[in-house]
Amino acid sequence: GAGVSQTPSNKVTEKGKYVELRCDPISGHTALYWYRQSLGQGPEFLIYFQGTGAADDSGLPNDRFFAVRPEGSVSTLKIQRTERGDSAVYLCASSLTVAAGVDEQFFGPGTRLTVL
Amino acid sequence: GIQVEQSPPDLILQEGANSTLRCNFSDSVNNLQWFHQNPWGQLINLFYIPSGTKQNGRLSATTVATERYSLLYISSSQTTDSGVYFCAVEMNTGNQFYFGTGTSLTVIP
Repeated sequence: GAGVSQTPSNKVTEKGKYVELRCDPISGHTALYWYRQSLGQGPEFLIYFQGTGAADDSGLPNDRFFAVRPEGSVSTLKIQRTERGDSAVYLCASSLTVAAGVDEQFFGPGTRLTVL
Repeated sequence: GIQVEQSPPDLILQEGANSTLRCNFSDSVNNLQWFHQNPWGQLINLFYIPSGTKQNGRLSATTVATERYSLLYISSSQTTDSGVYFCAVEMNTGNQFYFGTGTSLTVIP
């Protein structure tokens, strides 16, 4: 596609429920990143994939958060037992590779998650 | 982790004015990007600039990696320039971005 797409654009859920957020990277991009942005803050790193494997998941806040990228393209961020503090905009980005010079990151429009 | 500080935090400009936004970072970096986050939340790439100077229309950026700072210049500002400007850096030891807290720019007609 022309850019990174994310679905849904908005998600409202109740505390304790399970949610899945989807990211479609730019076609041909091998690296995919997830960030979370709270109101008034800059985005914070969660996890990134190089191909199908999670190369760095050090930003995931706890074991309720999990992400997959089974075929090296689309990725799904999964949040179990949601809490009100999980409310934020979840941003996805992709880059051609992770090598210096070709690792410019391009961001999707985000999914706004609200946990009631 | 690396510290990324942006200044000023807020800026109000009259349309047509020029401005300079600054990004300081605390460690060596592989990559630095400037973004404009529009009122709808979309992060728009402005510059990929780990070092040197680049220009794109009314915008230009300079990164002095050895002194750990980058500058974004906006000339002849327009109301559509309003929004939050972020710099993001990638350390030598990883591929994740660390974002600054942003500069919120408001351009008034």
